[in-house]
Amino acid sequence: AQKITQTQPGMFVQEKEAVTLDCTYDTSDQSYGLFWYKQPSSGEMIFLIYQGSYDEQNATEGRYSLNFQKARKSANLVISASQLGDSAMYFCAMRDKYMDSNYQLIWGAGTKLIIKP
Amino acid sequence: KAGVTQTPRYLIKTRGQQVTLSCSPISGHRSVSWYQQTPGQGLQFLFEYFSETQRNKGNFPGRFSGRQFSNSRSEMNVSTLELGDSALYLCASSLSSANNNEQFFGPGTRLTVL
Repeated sequence: AQKITQTQPGMFVQEKEAVTLDCTYDTSDQSYGLFWYKQPSSGEMIFLIYQGSYDEQNATEGRYSLNFQKARKSANLVISASQLGDSAMYFCAMRDKYMDSNYQLIWGAGTKLIIKP
Repeated sequence: KAGVTQTPRYLIKTRGQQVTLSCSPISGHRSVSWYQQTPGQGLQFLFEYFSETQRNKGNFPGRFSGRQFSNSRSEMNVSTLELGDSALYLCASSLSSANNNEQFFGPGTRLTVL
C-alpha cells in the first residue's frame, strides 16, 4: 500500500540557516507526484512545491527545493535561508492513483518546524 | 482571483446533531476534495467531487456524505455527530484530478462536538 513517512515530528532551527525536512514514500506505481505543503497555525494548507516521478531535475520554487532521490524513494524539502515566518507544520503528500484515472493525496504525519531568532 | 472559501470557519455542535459544511472552489476549478484533520489521525481523505459526481470516497462511515452543485460549490454533511468527529475539515480545489495540478486549500472549518 502507498505510504508517506516523515520521521521528524519536530525541528528547531536558527534563523537564516538552511533546513532539510525528510520524506520517504512507498509506492509500486511508476507514475506519481510528490507535494509539500505548509500549514501555519491559522490552519490553511499552502502549496509549496511539486515533483513528478518522471521529472529529471529537482523542483525548485524560490527558497524551496526538493531533493528527489527516486531510487531511495525520498523527497526531502530544503528551505534555504530560513525566516521566522517559516515556522509551521510541513506535510509531504503523494498523489495516489486509484480506479484508472482517479487520484487522491496520501499525507505524511507532518513535521513541526520552529525557527528561532 | 479569489481563493477557496469555506463556511462556517468555526462550529460547535452536540452529539447526535448533524452539520453541513460548505466549500466554494476557485473559479474554474471543477474538482473539490474534502479532508479531515485530527491530531491523532492526521490528514485523511474523505471524498472528491468532479463535475457533480463523487469520484472516490475514503474510509469513513456513511454518516459522512457530500455533494457538488453545477457551479462546483460543494457541501459536506455529517449526521449523528460523535465526539470523535471534532476536527479541522479542509476543502481543496483543483482544475482536474486527472493531471498534476496542485490542490488549493481553503482555511478550513473547525468543528467541535460536545
